[in-house]
Amino acid sequence: EPEVTQTPSHQVTQMGQEVILRCVPISNHLYFYWYRQILGQKVEFLVSFYNNEISEKSEIFDDQFSVERPDGSNFTLKIRSTKLEDSAMYFCASRFGGLGANVLTFGAGSRLTVL
Amino acid sequence: GESVGLHLPTLSVQEGDNSIINCAYSNSASDYFIWYKQESGKGPQFIIDIRSNMDKRQGQRVTVLLNKTVKHLSLQIAATQPGDSAVYFCAVERGAQKLVFGQGTRLTINP
Repeated sequence: EPEVTQTPSHQVTQMGQEVILRCVPISNHLYFYWYRQILGQKVEFLVSFYNNEISEKSEIFDDQFSVERPDGSNFTLKIRSTKLEDSAMYFCASRFGGLGANVLTFGAGSRLTVL
Repeated sequence: GESVGLHLPTLSVQEGDNSIINCAYSNSASDYFIWYKQESGKGPQFIIDIRSNMDKRQGQRVTVLLNKTVKHLSLQIAATQPGDSAVYFCAVERGAQKLVFGQGTRLTINP
């Protein structure tokens, strides 16, 4: 069964450092997302991406965050200067069509720990 | 905006019993609802979805009920098994591009 793959599974970084989280969405999917989950809390939307541009972003997704689809397979989330409160599990997700068209498939997540 | 809440943060049931997990949403214009299961260390996994033009949908051992009048959604799991132990989230479509998740209910299946 096709799956969304994410790397690294866990990253530890110092506050102020840049972090790049990588995702390989399902190959024929067209819509890509990043969500995050602070430990013990709910899953929160960060950003959606379609046709090589951001479709929507949340208030969490400030100027420190950026996304990129550098080639036909990867989808990355960059945090420019990490803060302690960025510590969370970051989930990449993808779907073939827009919301409601079909199932959103999540990756296993990348755990980010900021010290 | 949309807010999604769950009634109980934790729920324990005996193996073989049925379980019901509840969720409430705020926006009456919401028209697509999904239940996800999250096991420890994994991403959310799709269980079942329902559109606002339906009030009930059944899958394998799972049923989702939608009450639009009171803006309430529930997930019923029949004959629970140890593998059903997980955190269950309801999510509501918000706009064209994102889902809004509830807080989650941790379901524990006791042997």
